[in-house]
Formats: sequence, C-alpha cells, structure tokens
Amino acid sequence: KAGVTQTPRYLIKTRGQQVTLSCSPISGHRSVSWYQQTPGQGLQFLFEYFSETQRNKGNFPGRFSGRQFSNSRSEMNVSTLELGDSALYLCASTSGQGDYNEQFFGPGTRLTVL
Amino acid sequence: KQEVTQIPAALSVPEGENLVLNCSFTDSAIYNLQWFRQDPGKGLTSLLLIQSSQREQTSGRLNASLDKSSGRSTLYIAASQPGDSATYLCAVVGNAGNMLTFGGGTRLMVKP
Repeated sequence: KAGVTQTPRYLIKTRGQQVTLSCSPISGHRSVSWYQQTPGQGLQFLFEYFSETQRNKGNFPGRFSGRQFSNSRSEMNVSTLELGDSALYLCASTSGQGDYNEQFFGPGTRLTVL
Repeated sequence: KQEVTQIPAALSVPEGENLVLNCSFTDSAIYNLQWFRQDPGKGLTSLLLIQSSQREQTSGRLNASLDKSSGRSTLYIAASQPGDSATYLCAVVGNAGNMLTFGGGTRLMVKP
C-alpha cells in the first residue's frame, strides 16, 4: 500500500506570493490533517478534513486555507506569504472510521519564503 | 488547553544501552497517544499507538506505556543502536477529531 504523498517536496517563494501544497492520503483513508513544523514552535495543527468537510481548525490566520476533494486528496493554500511562513508542512492521513486511529504522515513540503 | 511536554530534550547514550523517553500531558481526557520518530528534514514515522483503554504497546525493541490518570507515557528502547538516532515525538488525540497535540520531542543520539 502506498504511503502518504506530498507535492512538491520543496518550494521557494517570495513575500506576498501565494502557494498551494498537495497531499494524497493512503488509499481508503478519508481524514487528512495538515501541520506546520518550525524550529521555534514545533508541530502545530492547521486543519483537518474528513469527507470533503473541514472538521477542525487550528489557531492560524485566514491566509491559511484548505480543501479536500472527493477522492480524499487535499490541498492547502497560503496567500500573501510572510517570512514566518517558512516551515516544513506535513500532512497526515487516517482512516477516520470511528476516529482515534493511527495516523500516518507524508514526507512534507519544505517551504522557504524569501 | 492540552499541553504536552517531553523530557529530556536531548539525550546521548552509548550503543547497547536501554533507555527511557518521557512524555507528559496536562489533560487526561485523551483518546489515544502516538509515538513518532523523525529523522532530520523528513516526515514522521509512526512507532506505536496506545488507545486510552490500553496500558502499553510493544513493537520489537520498543515498548510504550500509558498512565492516563497521571498524564504520563514512556517509550522504552531496548539495546539501542546508532540507527535509533533521531528525534522522538509523542502526541495525544483529545476530543477534537483527529487533531494531534505534540510534545517538543527528544533528540536522541546513540554513539557507536
């Protein structure tokens, strides 16, 4: 079974631009969550999507948004990029059936904002 | 608000030692706790999942325990190897869907 995949793996953008990251969950998994990892703040939850609906949202500004498609693939978008958005963005998938199941992470997208 | 703490932040041991990593959480109302490993610049690899009704889980040289009432979990690594060098993270799931709240991690170095 293929694992969680994320594209692209690396991105370099400049301040003010916008970016879209993609995550394909493990086949059969319906829940996708996004996390931001920085040296200063560690791993922080962005949002979770389940069956195309946002189920939970972390404490991030509205510049961070996401969506999920009918095939469970998810995208997150960051508009008006700031230097502080430079981070490793990770997505995780779980079956979502009955909740509280093991979560599996992708390799991440390294975003650098110049 | 749930807070997760991992002690120590860094640990260096000689190869072959048995070691214990600690994780504590402030809100005992969790549904499960998961231990992960992260190699530099990489994603997270799931090691063990403990449901709230369980006391421990084992996988190979790894054993994780959970004491929900005291808000603690430990990850025991037997006969450590240089390949075990990585950052180990614990995370808990509470009552907000599948949201994981992470600790800051323990950076482990196993010296040959």
